[in-house]
Amino acid sequence: DTGVSQNPRHKITKRGQNVTFRCDPISEHNRLYWYRQTLGQGPEFLTYFQNEAQLEKSRLLSDRFSAERPKGSFSTLEIQRTEQGDSAMYLCASRGDGTGHYEQYFGPGTRLTVT
Amino acid sequence: QKEVEQNSGPLSVPEGAIASLNCTYSDRGSQSFFWYRQYSGKSPELIMFIYSNGDKEDGRFTAQLNKASQYVSLLIRDSQPSDSATYLCAVASKIIFGSGTRLSIRP
Repeated sequence: DTGVSQNPRHKITKRGQNVTFRCDPISEHNRLYWYRQTLGQGPEFLTYFQNEAQLEKSRLLSDRFSAERPKGSFSTLEIQRTEQGDSAMYLCASRGDGTGHYEQYFGPGTRLTVT
Repeated sequence: QKEVEQNSGPLSVPEGAIASLNCTYSDRGSQSFFWYRQYSGKSPELIMFIYSNGDKEDGRFTAQLNKASQYVSLLIRDSQPSDSATYLCAVASKIIFGSGTRLSIRP
């Protein structure tokens, strides 16, 4: 499968616990994006990487959230001290770069439930 | 004003008819525009992208872009029940999404 993959697909955690999600982008894509989506809303931008550099973070991303892409390949998104309001689908997407325009493809998402 | 705006619907269209979905955006410098289809509980699936003013056709789908008026639309011809989903408009370079239009095709 050469698409974007995410793990785990589902995560249930208790409030206050830390969680970490992983995203493996399409191999030739150097841009990687994280989004959060709640019911009835479109995906909400969180952050994006070009190779290993984190180029932008949304103001919505509190200091409990951190993302890394250490080798410019897979990325992790960590949420510390989870709150019930963090319950959402966390989507990763990847996109090529260079001249021209490139499409963005999503992974299947990680559904987080904080109890 | 939201960066990308869509009518949330639901938009109900009879089977076989044309479904017309619209989206407006605020950043006049936007260059790339995407339409995604999302079924309940699934992640968004890219169905169309457009970069130049005018129409772009792919099968039953036509994307229309008017940069001067800052809108992009999606037409679905010969609508099928399987087209019932939420359609998300997205605008690049950072790729900001609208909240989606829920489309329901009634047999």
